[in-house]
Amino acid sequence: GENVEQHPSTLSVQEGDSAVIKCTYSDSASNYFPWYKQELGKRPQLIIDIRSNVGEKKDQRIAVTLNKTAKHFSLHITETQPEDSAVYFCAASAGGTSYGKLTFGQGTILTVHP
Amino acid sequence: DAGVIQSPRHEVTEMGQEVTLRCKPISGHDYLFWYRQTMMRGLELLIYFNNNVPIDDSGMPEDRFSAKMPNASFSTLKIQPSEPRDSAVYFCASSSRGTQYFGPGTRLTVL
Repeated sequence: GENVEQHPSTLSVQEGDSAVIKCTYSDSASNYFPWYKQELGKRPQLIIDIRSNVGEKKDQRIAVTLNKTAKHFSLHITETQPEDSAVYFCAASAGGTSYGKLTFGQGTILTVHP
Repeated sequence: DAGVIQSPRHEVTEMGQEVTLRCKPISGHDYLFWYRQTMMRGLELLIYFNNNVPIDDSGMPEDRFSAKMPNASFSTLKIQPSEPRDSAVYFCASSSRGTQYFGPGTRLTVL
């Protein structure tokens, strides 16, 4: 089955700096890659996603890049703000018999210091 | 749309008791997922349904756990008997085209 590895497990940055979180996946059939943000005590919420026919996607201060050949994808947050502090999860979804199922990374705790 | 609805939001019970968690998915979504989240094990997929049919229950920890989806708008996750190690936040999520939307979760504490 699919395996998703996420790095780093913790990330500390100063307000205004950029933050990058990286994930690798194992199943070459995976074609959908969402990123979720989970604030303390809250539910995971989708912040951005990318499908395998696209190499990069941006939404204001966040962007995701996908390298299908290397089987890795990354989340980039620019001009970080204290409210970006949260746990971020990457995930991958394959087709076929596993369609619809997401395999999540272990999460990255991002702390943005004012 | 109210989003995914879960009840109860908090449950405290004693070891050995039966616990039932409930979920109402977003209308029109054909996939429903049950997850468990702990600090030690992260976010674990327990079971998921497609069109009310269980597709993969390989994440269900043991026979004490069972899940049903009698119709498109309701699912339950039952633990019987409960144990202290079952203490966790249980999330339900639903989707239609890959993007999963999570409910607020049920925080379960087994004493």
